[in-house]
Amino acid sequence: QKEVEQNSGPLSVPEGAIASLNCTYSDRGSQSFFWYRQYSGKSPELIMFIYSNGDKEDGRFTAQLNKASQYVSLLIRDSQPSDSATYLCAVKGAAGNKLTFGGGTRVLVKP
Amino acid sequence: EADIYQTPRYLVIGTGKKITLECSQTMGHDKMYWYQQDPGMELHLIHYSYGVNSTEKGDLSSESTVSRIRTEHFPLTLESARPSHTSQYLCASSEFGQHYEQYFGPGTRLTVT
Repeated sequence: QKEVEQNSGPLSVPEGAIASLNCTYSDRGSQSFFWYRQYSGKSPELIMFIYSNGDKEDGRFTAQLNKASQYVSLLIRDSQPSDSATYLCAVKGAAGNKLTFGGGTRVLVKP
Repeated sequence: EADIYQTPRYLVIGTGKKITLECSQTMGHDKMYWYQQDPGMELHLIHYSYGVNSTEKGDLSSESTVSRIRTEHFPLTLESARPSHTSQYLCASSEFGQHYEQYFGPGTRLTVT
């Protein structure tokens, strides 16, 4: 079992709809959770991080964390074609200062 | 403006050459990281550093080496490049603190012929 798992996609979403991305992790002691966006050929860009159970909103993005179920999700509201990218989930475990990245979910927003 | 820089952005080089990929950050971060990523594939941590004179190998075995003589500078060296080293190399940094969010440089795309 991978430490951080994501559905590779592609997740096809009509323009204006909500894209919902999920990520599960195996280390129950994980402390911090991050969502990165990566356009093809570019480097990852930090979108949001969350460390408490519940929801955290930033513009059109909402991160949701459920530590009991060991999953974190990202909602993208009013999806735009410019949101088409690969979204990486990253987790800081209980020990050490490294992040463990999932394989990413590719999102395609169709006009 | 505080940022993280990588040079060169693109490098095409022949087999057997020595390569140094540069990474510098002006954010005052103490932690720095090197990742390797093939197109469409996962990120793999190859080296990290928690401060000056501190370097550790990452989760993916790599023939490269790193050094950290100055806080802001974290170069990666390949003594003898091979076609199997062809990949994108991404440098990142993070600040000491509770959450350790990492910020990435633009990357170096290396092609070894």
